[in-house]
Amino acid sequence: NAGVTQTPKFRILKIGQSMTLQCTQDMNHNYMYWYRQDPGMGLKLIYYSVGAGITDKGEVPNGYNVSRSTTEDFPLRLELAAPSQTSVYFCASTLFRGTDTQYFGPGTRLTVL
Amino acid sequence: DAKTTQPNSMESNEEEPVHLPCNHSTISGTDYIHWYRQLPSQGPEYVIHGLTSNVNNRMASLAIAEDRKSSTLILHRATLRDAAVYYCILRVFNTDKLIFGTGTRLQVFP
Repeated sequence: NAGVTQTPKFRILKIGQSMTLQCTQDMNHNYMYWYRQDPGMGLKLIYYSVGAGITDKGEVPNGYNVSRSTTEDFPLRLELAAPSQTSVYFCASTLFRGTDTQYFGPGTRLTVL
Repeated sequence: DAKTTQPNSMESNEEEPVHLPCNHSTISGTDYIHWYRQLPSQGPEYVIHGLTSNVNNRMASLAIAEDRKSSTLILHRATLRDAAVYYCILRVFNTDKLIFGTGTRLQVFP
């Protein structure tokens, strides 16, 4: 199993550009999450999904959109990039809600100039 | 949401035990205590979790105070590979929220 994979690893965007961060898991997990981590800080939840076709907002959803058309994929869309979205983005997945472990991807480092 | 408080940094020598403290005075009865760690330039990695009783696994031990207002992650013999940021997290049962604090940066010296 590859676990949770994310692409790209690094990206530089100009203000106002858009992009999609890709996340794929091969563990047949129902739950998937997007977090962002600003320098020196802990992770903050952006969006999550409890299964294909179902998504919900986390703590910091403004400026982002998600979709979940398959169990494996959970892309994160930035429509109008802003400098405040400069961060490292982590995708995670877990099989069941509750106490189960979340498995994290390696992250995407995004810089908006 | 209940919050956790951890020291910003700690130091240890290799092969010594390390006790990483966490305060969570506003914890509720259904909150689980999770610990994750983040090695440099990597995503967080699960370490251990518990509710009321002390827990052991191959990576670490978790000691939970009787009133559950604090807990301690114990690494029995620190190695250089244990140098990381350790996050103490409260997770409400049957929800999807992991509320991360700023964590404790552990340095391990040879």
